[in-house]
Amino acid sequence: DQQVKQNSPSLSVQEGRISILNCDYTNSMFDYFLWYKKYPAEGPTFLISISSIKDKNEDGRFTVFLNKSAKHLSLHIVPSQPGDSAVYFCAATFGNEKLTFGTGTRLTIIP
Amino acid sequence: GAGVSQSPRYKVAKRGQDVALRCDPISGHVSLFWYQQALGQGPEFLTYFQNEAQLDKSGLPSDRFFAERPEGSVSTLKIQRTQQEDSAVYLCASSPAGASGRSYNEQFFGPGTRLTVL
Repeated sequence: DQQVKQNSPSLSVQEGRISILNCDYTNSMFDYFLWYKKYPAEGPTFLISISSIKDKNEDGRFTVFLNKSAKHLSLHIVPSQPGDSAVYFCAATFGNEKLTFGTGTRLTIIP
Repeated sequence: GAGVSQSPRYKVAKRGQDVALRCDPISGHVSLFWYQQALGQGPEFLTYFQNEAQLDKSGLPSDRFFAERPEGSVSTLKIQRTQQEDSAVYLCASSPAGASGRSYNEQFFGPGTRLTVL
């Protein structure tokens, strides 16, 4: 049972445009959501997070939106840059910090 | 400062062989996690330590998998009698504090050990 789902395995976006990555979850107990970025042969790197008591968190070019009623979150990257090309994982947790990950979305930024 | 390191980076094992994977967390980090990432999938939780105590091992797929952190620092994940389905990248992560329940402590991941079982 996949509790965190990323339904788009891949996404291509023109440099300078907005990248939107989506994530859905089923477990209403989750109280913290995160996005990780992963380059080949490296471990995931924390990008941005959001608590369930908020609906938006912004950090530079990255914004995460949370819609609790829809059990949906999204990551917006604007403007997209070539260095943003990577696999992005959505993850969720409740209380004990154990992370439940989605299957990832491979983002390719086209110069 | 140094991040999380893992060794070996790559391991090829024959089916039935025992393997040991090492994780060196960031110095002073209380929490340590092991995850398994199969090809094309996201990381999946295996087990969690707070200092030397193994507080959650619910993700270990079978009793062939064993993890320890005897002095609350370095951790070893051991897989006995490896099978082909054990082939995956094994990721270790550490975070600076124990589970608070009210705030999240970022997990810092190592580069992983890619295990291939032939």
